[in-house]
Amino acid sequence: SQELEQSPQSLIVQEGKNLTINCTSSKTLYGLYWYKQKYGEGLIFLMMLQKGGEEKSHEKITAKLDEKKQQSSLHITASQPSHAGIYLCGADNSGNTPLVFGKGTRLSVIA
Amino acid sequence: DTGVSQDPRHKITKRGQNVTFRCDPISEHNRLYWYRQTLGQGPEFLTYFQNEAQLEKSRLLSDRFSAERPKGSFSTLEIQRTEQGDSAMYLCASSLSQWGYTFGSGTRLTVV
Repeated sequence: SQELEQSPQSLIVQEGKNLTINCTSSKTLYGLYWYKQKYGEGLIFLMMLQKGGEEKSHEKITAKLDEKKQQSSLHITASQPSHAGIYLCGADNSGNTPLVFGKGTRLSVIA
Repeated sequence: DTGVSQDPRHKITKRGQNVTFRCDPISEHNRLYWYRQTLGQGPEFLTYFQNEAQLEKSRLLSDRFSAERPKGSFSTLEIQRTEQGDSAMYLCASSLSQWGYTFGSGTRLTVV
């Protein structure tokens, strides 16, 4: 079955610093989703990647999918307190199966 | 369209009681998913519908759980004879075929 490993599990960064979160799949990905979650709330869609080597950006967040489509990274530039939360990657294994999620990375941004 | 709506946001129930949650998906989305999330974990898949047909159920979905999606619109998730281990956030998502999973705000269930 599909397994997703996220690293690190948690991260504390100083405001203004850059950071990277990784998501590694045990299988080749059909698609990879990134979501952000505030404690006790639902998931907010960030980006979806499908093609090997694809890179997408939104504001200060950039997500990449490697050429082999088994690893994705999420990079935040010049972090702000508003970036704090739990970042989750979700894998689409075949285009026709429900997303499988990693355990998440908890990000704290301190002033 | 205001996105995926879930009701209630919070539910506290006594062990052994039945509870029912509702999810209203984005109107043009034909797929609807239920996930469960416990503290410190990612969402775990429970079941999903394409239109009104329930296409897949996880092994996590015991006989006490049942989901419906009459007429392919809103969906309900019922838990019978609740146990303390059922305490979790129940998340609903919808999508148009395999694209664009949009999640609701979730229903937090506490079984006491």
